[in-house]
Formats: sequence, C-alpha cells, structure tokens
Amino acid sequence: GENVEQHPSTLSVQEGDSAVIKCTYSDSASNYFPWYKQELGKGPQLIIDIRSNVGEKKDQRIAVTLNKTAKHFSLHITETQPEDSAVYFCAASTSGTYKYIFGTGTRLKVLA
Amino acid sequence: EAGVAQSPRYKIIEKRQSVAFWCNPISGHATLYWYQQILGQGPKLLIQFQNNGVVDDSQLPKDRFSAERLKGVDSTLKIQPAKLEDSAVYLCASSLGVVREMFFGPGTRLTVL
Repeated sequence: GENVEQHPSTLSVQEGDSAVIKCTYSDSASNYFPWYKQELGKGPQLIIDIRSNVGEKKDQRIAVTLNKTAKHFSLHITETQPEDSAVYFCAASTSGTYKYIFGTGTRLKVLA
Repeated sequence: EAGVAQSPRYKIIEKRQSVAFWCNPISGHATLYWYQQILGQGPKLLIQFQNNGVVDDSQLPKDRFSAERLKGVDSTLKIQPAKLEDSAVYLCASSLGVVREMFFGPGTRLTVL
C-alpha cells in the first residue's frame, strides 16, 4: 500500500528565514498532494495542495513543488513568522479511492 | 460557511467502558471520514463514507469500533469496550467527494484510564 515519509520531524528557524519540509511517497498512482497545518488543540487545516499535472504551486509565502519522477514533494515557507509555528502534515491520495495517507508530521518552530 | 462540527471535545473514560463521538460535516459534503490521531503521529483513516455507504473500513478494529452515518449527513463513531491504546484524538473530516479537498473538525480528545 501507499507509504508517505516526511522529514524533518522537527525544524527550528529564525523569524524571517525560510523553512522547507520534504515528503516522499511510494505509490506512483498518487496524484493529489495536500499539506495541512495543525495548531495545538485544533484539527488539521488545509493550507495548499498540488495535483500531479502541475510541478509547482504558490500562494503568497507558501509554495509546494512536486517531482513525479522522484516521487517527492516539498513545502516551502518564506519569510517565516511566529504564527507559522505548528505541526505540518503532508498527504498523498490516489484518484478513485479518495484515501489520504499522511506523513508523520513536522513540528515547525519559528523563533522571534 | 460553517465548518465540520464534533462533540464532545474531550472525554475521559475507564478501560472497558463505552464511548461515542458525533460529527456533523459541512453541508453538502457527500464524503465523511473518521481518523484516529495518536500523539506525535499523522492521522490514520478508520472509516470513509460516501453518502451513507461505507467506502473503506479496512483499518477499523471492528471487534470494538463501529460507525454509522444516518441519512448521509451526521455520523457517530462508537468504541465498546475501550482499551488504553485507544487514547487519541478522533478527527472527523468531510469533502465534496469529487473535488477532494478535505476539511477537518476540531477533534475529540479521548483519554482511556
């Protein structure tokens, strides 16, 4: 079955610096890759997603890149702010199943 | 647009007791999911409904867990009897199905003593 690996498990950056979180997936049929942000005591919130027919997508300070050949995708956050501190999860989904397989999460700390 | 609603937010029970969680998805969302999130891990799918039919329950421990979705809207997840290892956050999520963007509720934190 599908497996999603996520690195690093924790990441500390200075405010204003960039943060990058990487995920790899195993099922070449996966074609939808969302990223979720989870703050303490809350459910995960969708922040950006990318489909397999696109290599890169950007939304203000957040961008996601996808390399289908290597089966990995990454989340990039620029000009980090303290409110970006949270746990970030990547996921992979395959058309027809709508089943999401989540990574293990990255705890991002933005130091003021 | 109202989000996914869940109740209760917190629950503490003794092992071998029963517990039930309730979820109200976003209006019009045909697909409903229940996830289990153990501390420090990503969400793990327990069961997925499309309207009121089960699409995937392969990871649901059916000897103790059950779920239903009445009239294709609200859903309940029950654990009977609970074990210590069931301590986790239970997340409900919904999506339009075809579009696939999935939206999560705030979760129910279950502690089994």
